[in-house]
Formats: sequence, C-alpha cells, structure tokens
Amino acid sequence: GAVVSQHPSWVICKSGTSVKIECRSLDFQATTMFWYRQFPKQSLMLMATSNEGSKATYEQGVEKDKFLINHASLTLSTLTVTSAHPEDSSFYICSARRETNTEAFFGQGTRLTVV
Amino acid sequence: QKEVEQDPGPLSVPEGAIVSLNCTYSNSAFQYFMWYRQYSRKGPELLMYTYSSGNKEDGRFTAQVDKSSKYISLFIRDSQPSDSATYLCAMIQAAGNKLTFGGGTRVLVKP
Repeated sequence: GAVVSQHPSWVICKSGTSVKIECRSLDFQATTMFWYRQFPKQSLMLMATSNEGSKATYEQGVEKDKFLINHASLTLSTLTVTSAHPEDSSFYICSARRETNTEAFFGQGTRLTVV
Repeated sequence: QKEVEQDPGPLSVPEGAIVSLNCTYSNSAFQYFMWYRQYSRKGPELLMYTYSSGNKEDGRFTAQVDKSSKYISLFIRDSQPSDSATYLCAMIQAAGNKLTFGGGTRVLVKP
C-alpha cells in the first residue's frame, strides 16, 4: 500500500503555545487529505478535509481558527493547533488519497499532550 | 441511529480460529468499502478495499460485501496473536469524498 508519513509521532507542549503536525504522502500525490482526532477507545472523528491549493472544509463544531490546516502541495498537509490547551490533548491522525472514491491511507498518528 | 453499525466487542478467539467481523449500514449510497486494522496508539492500516458485492481475498483475509442487505464482513483465517487489534470498517458514497467509519471492533487472539 501507499505510504503516509506523519511527524512528530508524539509531542508535549506548554499550554498557550502552538504545535504543528506534518502529514506527507511519500509515494503518491494526494489530491485530498483528511485530519482526524481520536479519543481513547473511540473511533476516528473527522476534523477537516483539505484539497491541495484550496481552503480546508471543517466539520461542524471544529474551530477553524484553532486548528489551522494548510495543504500547500500534493504531498504535504499540516495541522497547526494554535494556543493549545490541555483539552486539546489527543491523538491526531491524517490520511491521504489519490482521487475521489479511492482508498485512503493513514499516517502513524501524533499524540499531543498539552501541559 | 448511526450510519454504520459495528459491534465494539471485545471478540476473543483462540489462536488459529477464524475471526468474523461485520458492519451494517443504512445508507444505500455507500458504494466503496474498506477494512482497517488499528493497533493501540498507531494509525489505521488498510487491509481490504472493495467496490462490488461479492468476495475479495488477500492472504488470510476475505472481505464480503452484500449491498442488497447493506452488510459487509471481514474474515481472518488462521488467526495469530499479532492480529489482536481494533478493526474498523469504512465506507464512501459514490459521489462522496469523506469516509464514514464504524465504531471499531476490538479483537483479542489468545495463544
């Protein structure tokens, strides 16, 4: 299968600071990338969908000013958690797909802890 | 009612047994179906991707889709302790972009 690399795999930051998470498709061009959040023992919760070169589409209830998504190229998307607070601590996962209706491949996930 | 229903388990089987997983869905617009395996604190790993009704086999894994019943299954033959994980089904609508996930089934394969 295709490879999606997510970095960092874990990060600890102080409350009030911002954290950037990168998602790269290593061996294919991703027209669409997705960002998810996952709480312990729960399924994935879609936060936003981004298409290369256009603004991300956020799911209802997700603050776009807090979770900034940039899909600058066909192989890179970033999620920035701005002014992080302890309640933002979670497991964040990205996924990428080549085209509509094709399978999606996931990154390894990033565990964010805000102290 | 959720669009995609999946028994959360846990499903406990002895090593070597067949693991049987399934999802039901209510939206007939779903046309593409996937199964993912997720280990604790890792991203989901794609196991199977299917479109049409019928069976698809890949190694120890067999995926079945029955669109008329809105029911999909994943079978794992000769299960190993390393198959212990959470299994997620996911679906996409024909003209859609987003994946809709089941809640996941936790599987424990005991040696």
